[in-house]
This record gives sequence, structure tokens and C-alpha cells, in this order.
Amino acid sequence: DAGVTQSPTHLIKTRGQHVTLRCSPISGHKSVSWYQQVLGQGPQFIFQYYEKEERGRGNFPDRFSARQFPNYSSELNVNALLLGDSALYLCASSSIDRRYTFGSGTRLTVV
Amino acid sequence: RKEVEQDPGPFNVPEGATVAFNCTYSNSASQSFFWYRQDCRKEPKLLMSVYSSGNEDGRFTAQLNRASQYISLLIRDSKLSDSATYLCVVTSYGNNRLAFGKGNQVVVIP
Repeated sequence: DAGVTQSPTHLIKTRGQHVTLRCSPISGHKSVSWYQQVLGQGPQFIFQYYEKEERGRGNFPDRFSARQFPNYSSELNVNALLLGDSALYLCASSSIDRRYTFGSGTRLTVV
Repeated sequence: RKEVEQDPGPFNVPEGATVAFNCTYSNSASQSFFWYRQDCRKEPKLLMSVYSSGNEDGRFTAQLNRASQYISLLIRDSKLSDSATYLCVVTSYGNNRLAFGKGNQVVVIP
């Protein structure tokens, strides 16, 4: 079975640009969460979606937005990129037992 | 105060030795506790859940102390392949997110 898949794996963007990151959860999982991991830190919660509805939002500016589609895949959008947005962006899917499985992440570099 | 605090280390451990480390959490309403393992530049993977009674999985033992609000992980007979960052993770009732510590970096030395 396919695990959590994220695309792209690596991305380089310029300050001020916007970026869209994509995530497909494990088949049967209806919940998707997004985390940001800056080098040397633990992952920080950005959003959680369940059945296409936002169920949680972390302490991130409005430049960050997300959505979930009917097939439970998800997109994370970041506008007006800053150098500090450079990080590993992780997507996790979970089933009703709330066990989380992470994708391999998208490594975003803002220059 | 951060929700989950860990001493990042690194913890340099001779092969075959035992290493132990703790993390503390600030929210007394925290409900579920986990240790995740993260290899360099990879995603976190669940190592084990942590229960109040303590639990063991092979060479790994996890303990939870609710009164003092800390979680521990002990690795016995360390292998070179145990070199990784171990992330302490906490969730709270009604909260749909994982709160991660900074991680404990373990380096097993031959």
C-alpha cells in the first residue's frame, strides 16, 4: 500500500513568491495535518483537515492556507514567501485511531 | 514556556551502552504521549506510544510520570543504527495536533 505521498520533494523559491505543496494521504485516511520543521527544531503544527473541514490551526500567519479535496488529498499554500519559511514541510495522515503517518516531506528553500 | 521541552544533546553513546533521556510537558491536560524517531533529513516515524504503566519494545523502554509531567526513553545495548533524533510528542484531549519537542540527538559511537 502507498504511504503518505508529498510533492514536490524539493523546491526553491524567491522571496515574495507563493508556493503550493501537495499531499495524498494513506488510502482510507480522512484526516490530513501539515507541519513545518525548521532546521534544528521539532515539527510545528500548521493545520489539520478532516472530511474537508479545517479542524485545527497553529500559530502561523494568514499567508499560510490549506484545503482538503473530496478525495482527501490536501494542498498547503504559502503566499509572500519569506526567508524564514525555508523548512521541511511535512504532511501526516491519520485514521480514526489517531495514529499519524508522515510523508517524506517537501524541502522548501526561499532565497 | 514551551509545551514540550527536550535537551537536544547530542548524546554520544558507545556501542552497547545504555542511554536515557527525558522530556517535560507543560500541559497537565495532555492525554497521549509518544516517542518518534527521525533520521537525518527524513520524516518522523512512530517509535512507540507511552503508557502510564510504562512499556517496553525490545531494547526500548518508555515511562510516563504524570505527577511530574515528564516522559522518558531508555535504549539498552545501543546499536549504530540507533543513531537518530528522538522526538517527544504530546497530544491533548480535544486537540487535533501533535506537539513536538526539539528532539534528543543520539550518536552511537563504534
